[in-house]
Amino acid sequence: DSGVTQTPKHLITATGQRVTLRCSPRSGDLSVYWYQQSLDQGLQFLIQYYNGEERAKGNILERFSAQQFPDLHSELNLSSLELGDSALYFCASSVGAGLAYEQYFGPGTRLTVT
Amino acid sequence: AQKITQTQPGMFVQEKEAVTLDCTYDTSDQSYGLFWYKQPSSGEMIFLIYQGSYDEQNATEGRYSLNFQKARKSANLVISASQLGDSAMYFCAMREGVNTGTASKLTFGTGTRLQVTL
Repeated sequence: DSGVTQTPKHLITATGQRVTLRCSPRSGDLSVYWYQQSLDQGLQFLIQYYNGEERAKGNILERFSAQQFPDLHSELNLSSLELGDSALYFCASSVGAGLAYEQYFGPGTRLTVT
Repeated sequence: AQKITQTQPGMFVQEKEAVTLDCTYDTSDQSYGLFWYKQPSSGEMIFLIYQGSYDEQNATEGRYSLNFQKARKSANLVISASQLGDSAMYFCAMREGVNTGTASKLTFGTGTRLQVTL
């Protein structure tokens, strides 16, 4: 158990819908990262927050947005869902945002868009 | 160009034998970190080992060791005394940039599926 929690574990929804994925980082971790793992794209970085502020953006679609709240939990919002958004979405956290801090991953949310 | 290359889509190893999973990387940064993660069939990503670009010694964590060859830009994972529970996908990842507290995403390779046999 990495100490990172993600809810829900599974999510099945229809095209065009909107969903929210939630992540609670490990106690004391200030940095949160979101990754998407799909069969065709592999593991891709989406976005990073550090202590409530956005720090970096990766291959995140405009239909996706995220935020980190004062209690440091984070939410990833996916809207106007398409079949291609079906993937495993990971949240990871680390103590800091620097080079040597390993990122601990949550169990992931498996999103299926039908 | 791929930043992280894992050329072995699948590997087989017999129980109790050692196995090496290959990883090469591409970066122009002087300061970077290399990571290996394990993803069992259940899906979670498990951190295994870390090597910093300035670390002079190869990293080791229990049965895992990282064979770091900076000039060749390779960071191979060695698993000694393989166990059935080692069967999983293994991902090599890199974090680039100086340790300034700024963006520190991980860039992952495509992974190697390891199957441990009796």
